[in-house]
Amino acid sequence: DVKVTQSSRYLVKRTGEKVFLECVQDMDHENMFWYRQDPGLGLRLIYFSYDVKMKEKGDIPEGYSVSREKKERFSLILESASTNQTSMYLCASSSGTSSYNSPLHFGNGTRLTVT
Amino acid sequence: GQNIDQPTEMTATEGAIVQINCTYQTSGFNGLFWYQQHAGEAPTFLSYNVLDGLEEKGRFSSFLSRSKGYSYLLLKELQMKDSASYLCAVWGGGSYIPTFGRGTSLIVHP
Repeated sequence: DVKVTQSSRYLVKRTGEKVFLECVQDMDHENMFWYRQDPGLGLRLIYFSYDVKMKEKGDIPEGYSVSREKKERFSLILESASTNQTSMYLCASSSGTSSYNSPLHFGNGTRLTVT
Repeated sequence: GQNIDQPTEMTATEGAIVQINCTYQTSGFNGLFWYQQHAGEAPTFLSYNVLDGLEEKGRFSSFLSRSKGYSYLLLKELQMKDSASYLCAVWGGGSYIPTFGRGTSLIVHP
């Protein structure tokens, strides 16, 4: 079974803090994704990566950055946390390419509250 | 781009059958997935359709018509634990990234 592990289930940070959300997958998947999910807005893609050191902006990259130094690990960074970044953050991985797609496997999510 | 439409909310009775529809518009088509998401939890994969027709998996079945840009998820013998949000996700041609619908919240009552 694919396992996608997010480092924290709940996180509370202060406005202006730098926040790191870590995600590790154990299935040697090429693709990794960061989403945020808010009521009524569904899943929104922040960034994704299709290979080590590669990253592509999703729909809402502003205020975020990512790092993928190793294949199994994809980190989401909030450079200076703001209250509008309070959300559920979901990491996912998949083994697809642009011509073949496999299901995304999600981590359990990190509920981030910025006060 | 891609556009996905699903009903926001549905209710059904325990033991009944419910059909959740998903319509989509996409340039190219590589597949459609259904996910289940319980409140406060991560989405979990339910089914995958890439060819027209019905895929059955226990109490859950998923149907696809590519020419109509239409899919449905059929849940039989509903149980209370089936109360969850159901997400439809479509891969367009040449994309690594699926587009998710906003999800259908299913409420199963006794």
